Amino acid sequence: SAVISQKPSRDICQRGTSLTIQCQVDSQVTMMFWYRQQPGQSLTLIATANQGSEATYESGFVIDKFPISRPNLTFSTLTVSNMSPEDSSIYLCSVAGPSGKGAGNEQFFGPGTRLTVL
Amino acid sequence: GQQLNQSPQSMFIQEGEDVSMNCTSSSIFNTWLWYKQDPGEGPVLLIALYKAGELTSNGRLTAQFGITRKDSFLNISASIPSDVGIYFCAGHLRAGNNRKLIWGLGTSLAVNP
Repeated sequence: SAVISQKPSRDICQRGTSLTIQCQVDSQVTMMFWYRQQPGQSLTLIATANQGSEATYESGFVIDKFPISRPNLTFSTLTVSNMSPEDSSIYLCSVAGPSGKGAGNEQFFGPGTRLTVL
Repeated sequence: GQQLNQSPQSMFIQEGEDVSMNCTSSSIFNTWLWYKQDPGEGPVLLIALYKAGELTSNGRLTAQFGITRKDSFLNISASIPSDVGIYFCAGHLRAGNNRKLIWGLGTSLAVNP
C-alpha cells in the first residue's frame, strides 16, 4: 500500500483563523479523499480531491469553508477556514488503490491531523 | 448520510478470548472492508472482501462477506493486548458508489491482560 504522510500532525488554533493541512503520497494515486473524525465518532467524508479540477464535496461541506487543492497525483491540501471550536476534529486524508486484488476499492489512510480550536 | 449498523458498540474481554463483531445494512454492498484504528493514528486496513460468501483470514483475524451481500463479520481469535483499538467496517454500495465508502460507527475493543 501507499505511504501517506500528513502535516501538521496536530495543531492548536485560535477561533477565526485558518489552517492548511498537507497530504503527501509516495506514489501516484487516482483518488484522494479528505475525512473528518470528531472525538469518539466514525469517519465522515468531506470531499473527494480531484486532480486538475474542483473537489467534489459531500452534503454539509462547502468549498468556502474547506477549500481543497490537488495540484498533482501525489499531493493534496485541505484548508479549514474561519475556524470555530466545532471544527476541533481529526482530519484524515486517504487514497484509493489496489491491494493486489479487486477493483482498487480499498482506501488507505494517513496518520491524521488532530486540530483543536480554542 | 447512510451508515452501516455495527455491533457491538464496545467490548471488554480477557486476553485469550475470541471476539466477534458484525455490520449489517439494508442495502447491497459490493465491497466490505475492515479497519482498525489505534489512538492518535489513522485507520489501518485489515481485510478486504469482494465476493458474497468470501471468507478471508489475516493471521488471527477472519472476516466474511455475507451471502446476502448485506452483512459482514470480523472474528479475532485468541485476543492479545495489542488488539485494543476501534474496529470499523466500511463498504461500497453496489451501484454508483464513486469509490465513496459507507462507514460503521465502530466497535471499541478493550483487552484485559
